[in-house]
Amino acid sequence: GQNIDQPTEMTATEGAIVQINCTYQTSGFNGLFWYQQHAGEAPTFLSYNVLDGLEEKGRFSSFLSRSKGYSYLLLKELQMKDSASYLCAVMDSNYQLIWGAGTKLIIKP
Amino acid sequence: KAGVTQTPRYLIKTRGQQVTLSCSPISGHRSVSWYQQTPGQGLQFLFEYFSETQRNKGNFPGRFSGRQFSNSRSEMNVSTLELGDSALYLCASSLQGTLSGANVLTFGAGSRLTVL
Repeated sequence: GQNIDQPTEMTATEGAIVQINCTYQTSGFNGLFWYQQHAGEAPTFLSYNVLDGLEEKGRFSSFLSRSKGYSYLLLKELQMKDSASYLCAVMDSNYQLIWGAGTKLIIKP
Repeated sequence: KAGVTQTPRYLIKTRGQQVTLSCSPISGHRSVSWYQQTPGQGLQFLFEYFSETQRNKGNFPGRFSGRQFSNSRSEMNVSTLELGDSALYLCASSLQGTLSGANVLTFGAGSRLTVL
């Protein structure tokens, strides 16, 4: 079967750096997405990786290793507003998105 | 530019009833996807419509159905509601849909369904 694994919950301190990991086993691969979802709100797009390596976008970076079935989202200079759930999703060979259960990130002052 | 609009935002039904949820995509977006979100589980894909045609379907029973109109607005229907159907139903629109790798989804705020 297809599977996306990410930690259920993480805690970090304001101003620090946090890395949220995502491992996947899917039938085929057509890209990996990260979305942010604040409580009670819609998920919003953060990043897309289809080739190995690091994609940087401001305070957020996303890394992909296709051979290891692994990605991470790196958040720097954490702010209280970064408290949210972070969803990892992989597009499989049928171009269907398979989603992880999400990682709830708690930022403490 | 207006975002993705879902109605109603909240609703309560009883077992056995049916429900219809509506989604208006971003103007110009022809693809609409529906997802079910429950605590502790990832988003579960229901179906995708593109230009009024169902292009992809997840592993949900036939009680879950949908359609798309010529203006790209979409509806999903759940018949014979069960307690386990209680969830947040999210709609997402995109320009090209799932047959494009870099398919960025714009989500609506969701319709929260409670089945009693």
